[in-house]
Amino acid sequence: GAGVSQSPSNKVTEKGKDVELRCDPISGHTALYWYRQSLGQGLEFLIYFQGNSAPDKSGLPSDRFSAERTGGSVSTLTIQRTQQEDSAVYLCASSLYVDPAPFFGPGTRLTVL
Amino acid sequence: DQQVKQNSPSLSVQEGRISILNCDYTNSMFDYFLWYKKYPAEGPTFLISISSIKDKNEDGRFTVFLNKSAKHLSLHIVPSQPGDSAVYFCAASDGGGGTSYGKLTFGQGTILTVHP
Repeated sequence: GAGVSQSPSNKVTEKGKDVELRCDPISGHTALYWYRQSLGQGLEFLIYFQGNSAPDKSGLPSDRFSAERTGGSVSTLTIQRTQQEDSAVYLCASSLYVDPAPFFGPGTRLTVL
Repeated sequence: DQQVKQNSPSLSVQEGRISILNCDYTNSMFDYFLWYKKYPAEGPTFLISISSIKDKNEDGRFTVFLNKSAKHLSLHIVPSQPGDSAVYFCAASDGGGGTSYGKLTFGQGTILTVHP
């Protein structure tokens, strides 16, 4: 596809369950970012990948959050033992290495009941 | 500690008039500033940016002004059109030390409504 895609678009889960969110970046983009947007807030940086490595994980809110990227392409954000405060829209973005304006996907809306 | 602030949650403007969206920042290490536009159920879309070495950047109907001494930037849309109705986010980058250019700090957003 031409843009960043994310799946699922919506996810409803019960507190305590694990969830996986997927991101397919634009082909050829080596940089990949995860952000989240909680209700009424701006976007909050979570993690940055360059290729398959993550040199900046400073935004991950707790050790329940982890992410990986394989083949320099697809990335998965995993949240273990979900809590209600994890409810948010999780956005993935990708860019060329030196491009400061990443392209965003449509997001995954996560609701933890 | 909110390093990028958009103090106006919403702005309402008549079609054809100017829209001015404001943004303030506190981190003097920020050297690149961006505006993104977001429609419901879509991801943010890059609109316009400005480097800290400039004080103005223009692209069609959109102009961004940067006042470094005041740590303030603004987005001007002239003339405003109903299709401009969206949430506008201000964002800033310090280049991540040259390692993560797209690591952005965002404001809370301003909802712009342009009335026909």
